[in-house]
Amino acid sequence: ETGVTQSPTHLIKTRGQQVTLRCSSQSGHNTVSWYQQALGQGPQFIFQYYREEENGRGNFPPRFSGLQFPNYSSELNVNALELDDSALYLCASSYGQGGIYEQFFGPGTRLTVL
Amino acid sequence: AQSVTQLGSHVSVSEGALVLLRCNYSSSVPPYLFWYVQYPNQGLQLLLKYTSAATLVKGINGFEAEFKKSETSFHLTKPSAHMSDAAEYFCAVTSVGSGNTGKLIFGQGTTLQVKP
Repeated sequence: ETGVTQSPTHLIKTRGQQVTLRCSSQSGHNTVSWYQQALGQGPQFIFQYYREEENGRGNFPPRFSGLQFPNYSSELNVNALELDDSALYLCASSYGQGGIYEQFFGPGTRLTVL
Repeated sequence: AQSVTQLGSHVSVSEGALVLLRCNYSSSVPPYLFWYVQYPNQGLQLLLKYTSAATLVKGINGFEAEFKKSETSFHLTKPSAHMSDAAEYFCAVTSVGSGNTGKLIFGQGTTLQVKP
């Protein structure tokens, strides 16, 4: 059974650019959640996708957007990058959308905005 | 609204000593509580979880935690620290409810240092 994978591992962008991060969910999982972890902080919930629909969103501006594909993989897109967007972006997949379902985390994508 | 407070951003213990990492939560509904571990440059690994069954929860690598509703606490313990336990530990809360995403609310994290 393959776990959650994320690509790329590291990414460097400049302010104002756009970036796309990718996540492959664990086999059998239909729900993907994205989290942002700034340096020295705990992860913060960005949004969740359940069966290709956005299912909930944290306190992040609209320039953070996402997609989920029929195979339940997902993308996180960030437009107009700001310096504060520098963080580790974590993807987590689960069998369902509720709190009862364990979330399995990928290794993350480290984004640096210069 | 839910929140988590981890008391102590940095804890240092000697190898073989008791590990105690503190977590207090706030939740207006019955919570589900989790402890995750994060090693450098890696994602989060679940250590254990409380989902309204037994209040004393045993996890991987010898860790356990006790849910105390009266104290709104979910402290993580391990009787004897190993060097390999050095990592960042996160406490998180979520809940079950209609339309709930199960989004995790994390604390700020506690760095555990284990000295030889």
